[in-house]
Amino acid sequence: KNEVEQSPQNLTAQEGEFITINCSYSVGISALHWLQQHPGGGIVSLFMLSSGKKKHGRLIATINIQEKHSSLHITASHPRDSAVYICAGKRGGSNYKLTFGKGTLLTVNP
Amino acid sequence: EAQVTQNPRYLITVTGKKLTVTCSQNMNHEYMSWYRQDPGLGLRQIYYSMNVEVTDKGDVPEGYKVSRKEKRNFPLILESPSPNQTSLYFCASRRTGLETQYFGPGTRLLVL
Repeated sequence: KNEVEQSPQNLTAQEGEFITINCSYSVGISALHWLQQHPGGGIVSLFMLSSGKKKHGRLIATINIQEKHSSLHITASHPRDSAVYICAGKRGGSNYKLTFGKGTLLTVNP
Repeated sequence: EAQVTQNPRYLITVTGKKLTVTCSQNMNHEYMSWYRQDPGLGLRQIYYSMNVEVTDKGDVPEGYKVSRKEKRNFPLILESPSPNQTSLYFCASRRTGLETQYFGPGTRLLVL
């Protein structure tokens, strides 16, 4: 079993919809990163969470430590949000080692 | 402009021919890391460096070498490439204590 599991693998939405991408992780993961990979391949770091909630524009990330679960929400989705979203777990005890989920391919149609 | 650069961006080579993929950052970041991305497997960490002359293995270090002689550069060396090293490679950096990683544009490698 992977240390970090994402769902769904693929997600198609209509412009304006509220989107949720989920990430579950195993014992030993102390924090979660959310990354966005554009269709051209470039990767952008969105959030790092070890507790609570963070918001940036239309993006919201939450983490529940007890349930070992994190969610990435996109409000008022737009076609430019179409990308692969990847969660990555930081292994507890190491500030440097990351283990990645397989990603969620999001397509937002106009 | 703050950035991480990688060269080359695309490379086709043959089995056994040594190659180096360069990575350079202009943000004075202490931490640098190499990842490979493969269909169905996602991103996996190859090696990372906490600072100059300090490196350690990630999850898939076999067949790769790294060095960190200067803070800005972190080259990835494939001494004897094999077809199973065909992949998309990303370099990333960040400042110690801050979690935002900055990724390079990627290097697409094909080993024949």
